[in-house]
Amino acid sequence: EAGVAQSPRYKIIEKRQSVAFWCNPISGHATLYWYQQILGQGPKLLIQFQNNGVVDDSQLPKDRFSAERLKGVDSTLKIQPAKLEDSAVYLCASSLEAGVTEAFFGQGTRLTVV
Amino acid sequence: AQSVSQHNHHVILSEAASLELGCNYSYGGTVNLFWYVQYPGQHLQLLLKYFSGDPLVKGIKGFEAEFIKSKFSFNLRKPSVQWSDTAEYFCAVNRYSGGGADGLTFGKGTHLIIQP
Repeated sequence: EAGVAQSPRYKIIEKRQSVAFWCNPISGHATLYWYQQILGQGPKLLIQFQNNGVVDDSQLPKDRFSAERLKGVDSTLKIQPAKLEDSAVYLCASSLEAGVTEAFFGQGTRLTVV
Repeated sequence: AQSVSQHNHHVILSEAASLELGCNYSYGGTVNLFWYVQYPGQHLQLLLKYFSGDPLVKGIKGFEAEFIKSKFSFNLRKPSVQWSDTAEYFCAVNRYSGGGADGLTFGKGTHLIIQP
């Protein structure tokens, strides 16, 4: 079974630039999550999708972060403009059915903002 | 807001020693509980999970965890660790209701180093 695919693996940008991350969940998984993991901390939920609808985006900094999941499959997370404190690993995860099955994580995208 | 506390941020053990990593959470409703592991250079992988039923849960690679509802705890144990258990361990919780579950809330992680 193919896992959660993310790209790119690494990205270095200057502050105030924009960046986008892509995620392809496991086939058939209805729920998709984006997490931010800052060095030395556990992952923090940014947004949760159920199919192509947003379930929870309460911790997403909406002034600079946006995410979409068109057609209920792939998802993109965008940051515009980036700040130094956005340096982190951005993790995508998916689950077949939230609350019934576990979440599977991708390798993540390591973002460095300089 | 719910929170997850992991008591030990860095643990160093010798091979064959017993392991117990503490995890407490702060939510009083129905919860699902998880331990994830991240080996060096790899993605987060599920060690074990608790949704309901027997509070003593067995996972992969000889790990187990016990859910004690009265103590809001879900401690991870392994009777005899191996060098290959060197990794970062995360406890995570989500809330469950009839309408589904929210995203995971993670603890800060425990960096476990096993010395040969």
